[in-house]
Amino acid sequence: GNSVTQMEGPVTLSEEAFLTINCTYTATGYPSLFWYVQYPGEGLQLLLKATKADDKGSNKGFEATYRKETTSFHLEKGSVQVSDSAVYFCALNPARQLTFGSGTQLTVLP
Amino acid sequence: DTEVTQTPKHLVMGMTNKKSLKCEQHMGHRAMYWYKQKAKKPPELMFVYSYEKLSINESVPSRFSPECPNSSLLNLHLHALQPEDSALYLCASSRLPGETQYFGPGTRLLVL
Repeated sequence: GNSVTQMEGPVTLSEEAFLTINCTYTATGYPSLFWYVQYPGEGLQLLLKATKADDKGSNKGFEATYRKETTSFHLEKGSVQVSDSAVYFCALNPARQLTFGSGTQLTVLP
Repeated sequence: DTEVTQTPKHLVMGMTNKKSLKCEQHMGHRAMYWYKQKAKKPPELMFVYSYEKLSINESVPSRFSPECPNSSLLNLHLHALQPEDSALYLCASSRLPGETQYFGPGTRLLVL
């Protein structure tokens, strides 16, 4: 079946630290891959996406590359800010429905 | 513009009440979705509407009744809910079924 595995949280970093949140997936076919972010008390916002192998999605300093050979879509940011504190969800849509990972809580300390 | 709006933002209801949640988008999207999200969990799909027709019902109890009056509007009618139904209810839309979904801010529901 289709599934997404995210690194366990919570993750706590100091401001300006490098961020990696690991995401691996299992899917049939060629799904699109997504990262959504949920700030406290809010809905989900699309952070970035990639629709085919080797595509790199990027937004607000965040990047993720669709790696078909390792079935991964790791989220990275070179220098996090306090305002990046949120829950991050990796997701895929192999069959017209989104399959989410469990989410990773990120806290950035000043 | 990728805005999905939801009203109300917060809702408190008793187990005998009837209430409705509303979702609206004006992006011309032809697929709309309802999700339920419990604290510290990912969203769970409840219903999918494609071209104003219900296409997926994820075995949701009948006390939740979706309605899609037109291509821009999606309602979720609530009746005789249980305390365990307390959650954040999220609406999303996509240009076509299976394409990128854009979420609204959600309605935080508390059932007493």
